[in-house]
Order: sequence, then C-alpha cells, then structure tokens
Amino acid sequence: GEDVEQSLFLSVREGDSSVINCTYTDSSSTYLYWYKQEPGAGLQLLTYIFSNMDMKQDQRLTVLLNKKDKHLSLRIADTQTGDSAIYFCAEGRSYIPTFGRGTSLIVHP
Amino acid sequence: DAGVIQSPRHEVTEMGQEVTLRCKPISGHNSLFWYRQTMMRGLELLIYFNNNVPIDDSGMPEDRFSAKMPNASFSTLKIQPSEPRDSAVYFCASIRTGSHYGYTFGSGTRLTVV
Repeated sequence: GEDVEQSLFLSVREGDSSVINCTYTDSSSTYLYWYKQEPGAGLQLLTYIFSNMDMKQDQRLTVLLNKKDKHLSLRIADTQTGDSAIYFCAEGRSYIPTFGRGTSLIVHP
Repeated sequence: DAGVIQSPRHEVTEMGQEVTLRCKPISGHNSLFWYRQTMMRGLELLIYFNNNVPIDDSGMPEDRFSAKMPNASFSTLKIQPSEPRDSAVYFCASIRTGSHYGYTFGSGTRLTVV
C-alpha cells in the first residue's frame, strides 16, 4: 500500500464543516502537513503539526493527530466556495515530505 | 521574494521533440526538487538536488529524462525525445535544508506532448 493514504473526493455544502482524513505508515514521522492546491497552482503549505502534538487550531482549521492509529485529519469550519481545492496530506521525518494522492474538496452552494 | 519561478507555464510539443523546463528556486534555499503530477499517479518525486548536487534521481522514469543544476539559482529538467505519456504538470520546489516547513512549490509547467 501507499505510505500516505487519503480519499480522493469530498463534497460538502457551503457553510458546513469539512473533514479530510489521512493515514500514514511511518511511525517515526516527525512532522505532518496539510498542503492546498488551487487550480492551476502549485501546492501551498496550509498547516503542519509536530508528532508530539494531538491538536492544532488555526482560525477555521483544526488538525487532529492520532499517533497510535497513524491518523491525521483536517477540519475546515464554515467551508466556503474558496476552499474548493485539492488537499494533500504529507508526512516527513527529514525535510523531504511524502505526499498522499490528494483529496479534491468540492464545495457547493 | 518572488517565490519559486518556473517557465514556461505551458508547453505544447510534438512527440520526439526535446523539451526543457526551467526553475529558479527561492534565494537561500539550497535544496531543489522536481515533481511530476498526473491524475493516474498523483505527485511523483523525480529528482532532488542539495547544494547543486543531484542526491537522488531514482524517480526519474527513463533515460530520456535528465536534470541539471549548474548554480544555486537555476535548474533544468530536460526530456529528449518527448512522448505523449510525458504529458503532465511538472513542479519545482525548494527548501533550506533542515527546515521542516519551508517547502515552497512553483506554479508548475503544464506539458502536453501530441
């Protein structure tokens, strides 16, 4: 299986919360990341969490880490149409992250 | 800083032609990475450089692909001869070695080989 797995699509209604899930295999990962890719653009770092943390909150974004289950999630509160993008989960032990395939978030009115 | 700069943004070429993609990393970043993104395979790491030296090119698909970094501010990815299956978006990224959250991507080059 792949090192970092995430579902390919998520569809939500504007104003609802979105939860994007990810599982990884490397238990020695030091950092876990969420990147966002808007159409026609490169990946942009959205947020990251150290492996010794359980949760990190940044405005509308909440990252939850379950290290025991190697599960990472990204919650976007009050999802807006501008949040429509591909979200990549990544894990890293060195400075080179390993990326998942990306989850396409579709926000509809 | 202008970020990681890639050129061209779009490239359409005929099968068999040589294609050269260009990348200028962020000043002060000493590691540079080339990725390929397709629907089928997702994001693939092709090669990366540290201090202008190629460190790992195991992701380069075939001998038709080559990459160089003649100095700290410029890198090229060359495909010769190009084939339709090379059609993809190619990204360059850079980071200061040892930093864990400064990974910065360029806007990519969309390559179409017809």
